[in-house]
This record gives sequence, C-alpha cells and structure tokens, in this order.
Amino acid sequence: LAKTTQPISMDSYEGQEVNITCSHNNIATNDYITWYQQFPSQGPRFIIQGYKTKVTNEVASLFIPADRKSSTLSLPRVSLSDTAVYYCLVVRSNDYKLSFGAGTTVTVRA
Amino acid sequence: GAVVSQHPSRVICKSGTSVKIECRSLDFQATTMFWYRQFPKQSLMLMATSNEGSKATYEQGVEKDKFLINHASLTLSTLTVASAHPEDSSFYICSARVVQEGNTDTQYFGPGTRLTVL
Repeated sequence: LAKTTQPISMDSYEGQEVNITCSHNNIATNDYITWYQQFPSQGPRFIIQGYKTKVTNEVASLFIPADRKSSTLSLPRVSLSDTAVYYCLVVRSNDYKLSFGAGTTVTVRA
Repeated sequence: GAVVSQHPSRVICKSGTSVKIECRSLDFQATTMFWYRQFPKQSLMLMATSNEGSKATYEQGVEKDKFLINHASLTLSTLTVASAHPEDSSFYICSARVVQEGNTDTQYFGPGTRLTVL
C-alpha cells in the first residue's frame, strides 16, 4: 500500500490560494490519487481524484507530475468554511481500499 | 448524486447492548461498501469491506464476531456492534464505492454515527 506524507498543518487567510503537497514515492502503476475533506464529526467529503497531469473541478485542482511520486491539491480563494482536515490517499485499483493517514489540518483565518 | 446516508446519527446505549448501524446508498447501487472507525483526534481506520451477497472481509485486528456486517442488498449494509462496551465508543463511518470508467472508482462517505456506550 503506497504510503503518503503530507504536512500536519497549514495556516492561510481568506481569499488566498492554498496548496497542499503530498508525497507518495512508492505509488504503483495502476494506483491513483484521491483527496478528501473532513469537518469535525462528519464523514469525509470527496474533493478530487486523478491519475496523472492536471485535474480540475468546481472546487479544486489536482496537479500530478509525470513521475507521480507526489501530488498537489490547490484550493483557490479559500474561505473560513474551508477550515478542515484534508486527506491525500493513494487508491489501489485492485481492491479500492483507502488507508487514511493523519491528513493536513488547514486553518483559514479572517 | 452519490449520496450515502447512515442511521442513526447518534446512539447512546448501556454496556452489553447490541447496536445496529445502517448505511444506505440513496441514488446508486453499491456492490461494495466499507466500514471505518474514528476515535477522537485520530484518523479513520478501515474495519471491513462489505460485499453484497457475500461475507465481509475484516482488517487485521477487527473481531468479526464483535462487528457483524450484513450487505443484503445493493443499497444497504449494516454494522452490528455486538455486546457493546465503553471501549467500542467511537465514530463509525461507512462508505460506498461508485464504479467508474477507467478503474478509478470513488468512495462516497456517509455522515457517520456517534456511538457512546455507558
């Protein structure tokens, strides 16, 4: 199972862009990357996922370099409500199990 | 789309009671659902994989006789905590797998169930 490493915490201010980089050095060929957001006492909410290059949706962008050993989640113009824990996970396409690490606690200040 | 519900959202019970938690996929069918447990200030821990029509697969260290999982339909999986004790108090979260093209399936999570055993 590809282990991921991401910063424990990040601070930001409203309106700024937040970039969270995740390392996954031993990602396998058929694995892909997925990101979730979790608020206290709630289930994780799916943000975005991708295999390579760049993926964008209405809430975030995901950048994956060619070697796929890392990925960066970009949250544009964050607001106070984006304060949450963000998890980077590598998904194995043979069983789709998710192994959650500690995640990154993002705190957005006014 | 891809909405997953859990019931109940919160349960408080006495020690020795069995508690059933339901996980439903509301707008899609899920052949595979997963059950997680999350203790305060910790990350989610996968407990078991629930496959429709077959026995659940439990992660190492999870007692299958303690945490009974049934996945009788494509939209419902249940987790029963048998003879719950205070150490079973936790936040239980389920997820359902949505099959997508290109083997990039996505898991959508329920809102969680807070279990408190007195």
